Amino acid sequence: DTAVSQTPKYLVTQMGNDKSIKCEQNLGHDTMYWYKQDSKKFLKIMFSYNNKELIINETVPNRFSPKSPDKAHLNLHINSLELGDSAVYFCASSDHEKLFFGSGTQLSVL
Amino acid sequence: DAKTTQPTSMDCAEGRAANLPCNHSTISGNEYVYWYRQIHSQGPQYIIHGLKNNETNEMASLIITEDRKSSTLILPHATLRDTAVYYCIVRVRGYDMRFGAGTRLTVKP
Repeated sequence: DTAVSQTPKYLVTQMGNDKSIKCEQNLGHDTMYWYKQDSKKFLKIMFSYNNKELIINETVPNRFSPKSPDKAHLNLHINSLELGDSAVYFCASSDHEKLFFGSGTQLSVL
Repeated sequence: DAKTTQPTSMDCAEGRAANLPCNHSTISGNEYVYWYRQIHSQGPQYIIHGLKNNETNEMASLIITEDRKSSTLILPHATLRDTAVYYCIVRVRGYDMRFGAGTRLTVKP
């Protein structure tokens, strides 16, 4: 029973398209995150949600919009995809002591 | 949050202890030392954390110096599956983790 699950695992799309990545956690945590890991392997925090409320937005372009329908879900919608958006996106949840990560979504923008 | 400095890479022989150092000379009194690792293509995995005292769990031991300016993560009997990038993070709280470049540990047969 996966604790933090993301779908899809791979996403290949054309520039200019709009796409979404879904994340669900069954750990009962109040806080969820999106991280981006680029080709140089740096892992950067993008967003943090606590009880469906946006807490952190780390200077991410407006084309990225997180949505949290309930505290177990945090989806990431990306508009007008650009080549530079190609990366691995990780969802995570926290019990305020440690983070639990999903297995990642590899996004390739062509 | 305090910054951390880790070696870029390290090697370790299989079955031997892997000792991964981390410097955090500007750490504040209420900041914890966290360790995560990322095995190739997977999401980062929590290993251990501590404030002042040394800590041990089923994965590793964390040794924090008395002045708290540095720490060492110890994997007592490294296996090939421990090959990963290891991140040392200093943080007041247990969330909003910000990852640096980490140490790439290669365990060799």
